[in-house]
Parts: sequence; C-alpha cells; structure tokens
Amino acid sequence: LAKTTQPISMDSYEGQEVNITCSHNNIATNDYITWYQQFPSQGPRFIIQGYKTKVTNEVASLFIPADRKSSTLSLPRVSLSDTAVYYCLVVPEGDQGGKLFFGQGTELSVKP
Amino acid sequence: NAGVTQTPKFRVLKTGQSMTLLCAQDMNHEYMYWYRQDPGMGLRLIHYSVGEGTTAKGEVPDGYNVSRLKKQNFLLGLESAAPSQTSVYFCASSYFGPNEQFFGPGTRLTVL
Repeated sequence: LAKTTQPISMDSYEGQEVNITCSHNNIATNDYITWYQQFPSQGPRFIIQGYKTKVTNEVASLFIPADRKSSTLSLPRVSLSDTAVYYCLVVPEGDQGGKLFFGQGTELSVKP
Repeated sequence: NAGVTQTPKFRVLKTGQSMTLLCAQDMNHEYMYWYRQDPGMGLRLIHYSVGEGTTAKGEVPDGYNVSRLKKQNFLLGLESAAPSQTSVYFCASSYFGPNEQFFGPGTRLTVL
C-alpha cells in the first residue's frame, strides 16, 4: 500500500495561490491519486483525481510529475471559504475501498 | 436528489447500549462505506459494501456490524457501545469503486 505524507497545516491569505504537496513514494504503476476537501462539521467532498501530468477542473488543478512519487494540489486565488482540511489518497488499482487511508490531511487556514 | 443522508445526526448512549445508524443514498450507487473520524485523525474505514447483500471489513471493524439488505441503505450497528466508540461517523457511497465517494453529513455519537 502506498502511504501518503502531507504537511499537517498551511496558512495562506485571500487571493493567493496555494499548493499542497503530497508524497507517495511507494505508489504502484496503476494507482490513482485522489484529493478530498473537508469543511468543519461536514463530510469530505471529492475535489479531483489524476493518474499523471496535469488535471484541471473548476475547483483545482492536480500536478503529477513523471515519477508519480508526489502530487501537488493547486488552489488558485483562495478565499476564506477554502479554509478546510485537504486529504491526499492513493487509490490502488482494482481496490473496492478496503485499502483507502485518509491520513491526517493538511489543514489549510486562509486569512483575510 | 437528497444525496447521502444519515440518521440520526446526534446520539448519546450509555456504555453497553445498542444502536443502529442508518445511511441512505438515492443515487443508485453500488458501493457504500462507513467511516469514523476522531479528533486529530483522518477517517478510518469501518466496513464497506460493494453491492446489495454484500459487506466487507475495513481497517477498524471490531465492535461494529453492518447490513446492506437494500441497495440504497447501509446500516451500522453497535451491539454493546463502549466509550472508545465515541466519534463522528460518516457514511459514503460511490457508483463504482472508491475513486469518487459522496459523503453524508455525519452522525456525532457520544458513549458515556
């Protein structure tokens, strides 16, 4: 199983771009990388998923280098409402859910 | 669509009491999951189901039982509650596999 390592916390200011990097040195060839966002007192929400290179949606971008040993979630021009915990997960190929580990996540605090 | 709903939202139990948490989804998803989240920790998988009539153990299954008699419902039971089961419980569902899970609002359980 590919374990993930991400910073425990990060601070930012409104309008800045925030990059949260996750390390997953033991990622297997066909594993996917998935990111979730969790606001206080709510369940996590799926943000983005990728396998390699770059993926972008209306919320964020995900950058994955060629060796896939890390990934970076990029949030453009954050606002106060982006204050949340962000989880990086590696989803093993063919896994039905029994091997998912959310870890502690990165607590992002956006200040005015 | 209501998405994923959880009943109840809050509950206080005494040690040794039993209870059932109900998770319902209206998205026709095959996969359903039960997680617990404790302060300072990420989500830990308790049990999951890959379809009606199926269940499987996750990372922390001890002290819990589950049933998936109907596709839209996933029940989590505590037969004899213990203080160590004080936690916030989240249910999630996904169409196929764990890649994009939709989470419910959570149930806050306190065992005295």
